[in-house]
Amino acid sequence: DADVTQTPRNRITKTGKRIMLECSQTKGHDRMYWYRQDPGLGLRLIYYSFDVKDINKGEISDGYSVSRQAQAKFSLSLESAIPNQTALYFCAVGQGENQPQHFGDGTRLSIL
Amino acid sequence: GQQVMQIPQYQHVQEGEDFTTYCNSSTTLSNIQWYKQRPGGHPVFLIQLVKSGEVKKQKRLTFQFGEAKKNSSLHITATQTTDVGTYFCAAQTGANNLFFGTGTRLTVIP
Repeated sequence: DADVTQTPRNRITKTGKRIMLECSQTKGHDRMYWYRQDPGLGLRLIYYSFDVKDINKGEISDGYSVSRQAQAKFSLSLESAIPNQTALYFCAVGQGENQPQHFGDGTRLSIL
Repeated sequence: GQQVMQIPQYQHVQEGEDFTTYCNSSTTLSNIQWYKQRPGGHPVFLIQLVKSGEVKKQKRLTFQFGEAKKNSSLHITATQTTDVGTYFCAAQTGANNLFFGTGTRLTVIP
């Protein structure tokens, strides 16, 4: 959807490692979001950005950081990964307020 | 924070039976969106409801927004195996971000 690309698609790493997940889009949408999905918990918002260098905390931002250096890119970092951050991570983009969000294919992250 | 309750969590139906999932909020919503996630896939936008009492249809899918704008439902008539997946509502109040329900996972038995 909306040409939203997430890398990597899968990642297995160890506790304490620093990890970066990348998201890029080709549609020029202004708003970008990072969610995590856990079984039975739906999608929870981690961080979001409405423009370059605009950063806002979501529902569950602790343990994560983000960077939006360009309109098309929004990266999510785990500075020191812990096992309970094992989840499926989705990037989404949207254009304007009250508009649909378009999701990438997700990154499955496992932290051992 | 805002919470959106979605029920049921799981639903198994025989192919051809109907299916309904419900979303409820304690606060008045400005709009509600519905998404479908196929197994192994990503959420895909289905529809947005904005007006009180609004009803929208997409083929066998009927979406409703409550009169008080605090609840919504998605009804599928005569399910098919292609309807398999998890259906999420996502609610918004004012200019706030979307809050996703926990989803209803639909299994259709052929």
